[in-house]
Amino acid sequence: NAGVTQTPKFQVLKTGQSMTLQCAQDMNHNSMYWYRQDPGMGLRLIYYSASEGTTDKGEVPNGYNVSRLNKREFSLRLESAAPSQTSVYFCASRTDRDYGYTFGSGTRLTVV
Amino acid sequence: ILNVEQSPQSLHVQEGDSTNFTCSFPSSNFYALHWYRWETAKSPEALFVMTLNGDEKKKGRISATLNTKEGYSYLYIKGSQPEDSATYLCAFESSGTSYGKLTFGQGTILTVHP
Repeated sequence: NAGVTQTPKFQVLKTGQSMTLQCAQDMNHNSMYWYRQDPGMGLRLIYYSASEGTTDKGEVPNGYNVSRLNKREFSLRLESAAPSQTSVYFCASRTDRDYGYTFGSGTRLTVV
Repeated sequence: ILNVEQSPQSLHVQEGDSTNFTCSFPSSNFYALHWYRWETAKSPEALFVMTLNGDEKKKGRISATLNTKEGYSYLYIKGSQPEDSATYLCAFESSGTSYGKLTFGQGTILTVHP
């Protein structure tokens, strides 16, 4: 049982390049989330998907887009990367509100 | 923006010491308070989800209490061990927002010295 799988684990981008961070869960969870972790700050929500077919903005959505491709997969896209998007990105999923999140192992992204 | 505060920011204790730290959160529109343990080079792992005022949860040597009326939760570790060294995160879940979103505190970094 793999849990939540994020790819890639590391990535370096040049300013203006685009990329997609992939997240997949095999636990049949309904809700999925993308957070970013920056030094001195707590995990901040970028986008989330309460259920298959729905997505909503979180606290810091600017510069990102998401796709809930199916129940398993929730991808995060940076259309034109900026140095301010240098961060560690975590995907998480959850079955319902009685349970906590299951997190992926994170993607460390550097934009130069 | 919801305010979730954790104190202290960091803590150093000796093996065998008992310790505790605090999470403060809004006392209105409460749904749940979460605690996570985040070890270096790993991802956060859920410890507790607490929903009722007065809730107490326990997992081995770690326990947590919840006061929703005054907006705080305590996490206790009894007889700390080096393997307890980690960042402990709390997260607030509001009843007034969309499904399942959590607002995280900045964490308390615990170091247990042998």
